[in-house]
Amino acid sequence: GQNIDQPTEMTATEGAIVQINCTYQTSGFNGLFWYQQHAGEAPTFLSYNVLDGLEEKGRFSSFLSRSKGYSYLLLKELQMKDSASYLCAVSLGGKLIFGQGTELSVKP
Amino acid sequence: DAGVIQSPRHEVTEMGQEVTLRCKPISGHDYLFWYRQTMMRGLELLIYFNNNVPIDDSGMPEDRFSAKMPNASFSTLKIQPSEPRDSAVYFCASSLKRTGAGEKLFFGSGTQLSVL
Repeated sequence: GQNIDQPTEMTATEGAIVQINCTYQTSGFNGLFWYQQHAGEAPTFLSYNVLDGLEEKGRFSSFLSRSKGYSYLLLKELQMKDSASYLCAVSLGGKLIFGQGTELSVKP
Repeated sequence: DAGVIQSPRHEVTEMGQEVTLRCKPISGHDYLFWYRQTMMRGLELLIYFNNNVPIDDSGMPEDRFSAKMPNASFSTLKIQPSEPRDSAVYFCASSLKRTGAGEKLFFGSGTQLSVL
């Protein structure tokens, strides 16, 4: 079976840095995606990693270690609008399997 | 491009009724996915198509669910008969190529289904 684990909830302060972890055990692996989903809206793409290492994109960075089955999403200079659910997803060839998501609350 | 278009946005129906959800993917996208999202189970893949052909329907809950893609610009997800436990947000998504090639999914706005 496929197992993708993320913390259910996290809270952080505006202007701070937060790291959201994701571990996975899947039968196959063709890359890892992070999506952001605001309440009542559809998920939107944030990042993609297929090789080990860090991918930086503005305030957001994503890291992957394939040997450890581990990824994290790093959000810097947090803003109130970053309050959302963050979904880790593993590509298994043609399909994308999502974790349960981490609900991030940013407080002033 | 208009993005992935789903209809209806909201559907309220009674147990036992047939429900049909519709999706128009982004033009030129080869892959189409149907997902269901609930608080308890998160975002679950139901079925996906490649070039209008169903590739993996292992996520379809049971025989009450069926999906079709008669052409490259239209897909339906049908539930017959519907049950209260089918209440969820149903998302359609499309991608240009395989996600394994790094292609991201574009999601529609979803259909909020309530079965009373």
